[in-house]
Amino acid sequence: AQSVAQPEDQVNVAEGNPLTVKCTYSVSGNPYLFWYVQYPNRGLQFLLKYITGDNLVKGSYGFEAEFNKSQTSFHLKKPSALVSDSALYFCAVRDAAGANTLFFGTGTRLTVIP
Amino acid sequence: EAGVTQFPSHSVIEKGQTVTLRCDPISGHDNLYWYRRVMGKEIKFLLHFVKESKQDESGMPNNRFLAERTGGTYSTLKVQPAELEDSGVYFCASRRVDNSPLHFGNGTRLTVT
Repeated sequence: AQSVAQPEDQVNVAEGNPLTVKCTYSVSGNPYLFWYVQYPNRGLQFLLKYITGDNLVKGSYGFEAEFNKSQTSFHLKKPSALVSDSALYFCAVRDAAGANTLFFGTGTRLTVIP
Repeated sequence: EAGVTQFPSHSVIEKGQTVTLRCDPISGHDNLYWYRRVMGKEIKFLLHFVKESKQDESGMPNNRFLAERTGGTYSTLKVQPAELEDSGVYFCASRRVDNSPLHFGNGTRLTVT
């Protein structure tokens, strides 16, 4: 079975500070991993994905995520947070060899404090 | 290009009534997905269309839910009769090919009272 855990419902960070949003996953085979962001009253927007290759993946708006196979993690990071980064962030996974369906986490609400 | 559009944006109905949600995917996207997020929970997969065919409907909660995609263009998701636990935000997403990013609509917020 595939699943994603986002252990933090809420993350608060001061503007200009680095941010981390945590995600761990479980799949039977090799994972494809994704991060999506949802702004208020909008749909989910794709940020970045890991399919294969470098463990550090760079995405939109200055975000990056590091795939760690031994820890089954795919934490989202940004060196310097902006107030406009405040949103709901979802991690998602699918099995590379399995059905073409994404499994999402419960979401983490990021608030960047001016 | 126009994005994925969903209608209505909000719906409030009474228990036992019927509601039909509509999704218009991005033109040319054969893959269409329905997801649902109940308040505070994960976004759960409901089903996946490839063109007009149901590729995977393993996430459909029960037979009160019926999804269609006649002609392989827009899709509808009907809930009949609605129950309180059906409340949540229903997202539609589409993509052209496997492993390309999913494009999501803004969702339909369904409230069953």
